[in-house]
Amino acid sequence: NAGVTQTPKFRILKIGQSMTLQCTQDMNHNYMYWYRQDPGMGLKLIYYSVGAGITDKGEVPNGYNVSRSTTEDFPLRLELAAPSQTSVYFCASAAPGNQPQHFGDGTRLSIL
Amino acid sequence: GNSVTQMEGPVTLSEEAFLTINCTYTATGYPSLFWYVQYPGEGLQLLLKATKADDKGSNKGFEATYRKETTSFHLEKGSVQVSDSAVYFCALELGGYNKLIFGAGTRLAVHP
Repeated sequence: NAGVTQTPKFRILKIGQSMTLQCTQDMNHNYMYWYRQDPGMGLKLIYYSVGAGITDKGEVPNGYNVSRSTTEDFPLRLELAAPSQTSVYFCASAAPGNQPQHFGDGTRLSIL
Repeated sequence: GNSVTQMEGPVTLSEEAFLTINCTYTATGYPSLFWYVQYPGEGLQLLLKATKADDKGSNKGFEATYRKETTSFHLEKGSVQVSDSAVYFCALELGGYNKLIFGAGTRLAVHP
């Protein structure tokens, strides 16, 4: 069972570069989420989506963009990387109706 | 606003010791409550949940009871194992779309 798959696992960027973090799920879940996890902190919600074509901001959306063209994929875009975006990024998905979220293994991103 | 507060770690225990990790919450309504566990290098996994007051969630020997009167959801286990070493996150869901608000996490280290 693949579940939620994130790529890449690790990446180093220079300030001002852009990149896309990929996330795909094979559970046909309507809901998908992006979080960031900073050292010693809990996860903070960046963006979420409740279905293809529908996205909305979470708690910390600045500096990020998302799209949801299919049920399976929910990429996260960083346009102008800043050191403050150094973090571990987690994608998750869930079925509606108070179902638990399923997480990927994360992408560790460093911006230097 | 809505928030989750967990006891600070790390918590260091010997194998077979009793575990308590405290979690309290602030919420404007009646949230569902969760404990997630994160093993090294992995994403979060649901450990247990409770959806209403006085519910007890349990899994793998871990238990937590939803206490509305004290706004708490403390995690307990009677006898921990080395394999329980991980970071534990308390979370609440409120407001629909299964969006979660996480505590900062508590690192547990169990020694033989």
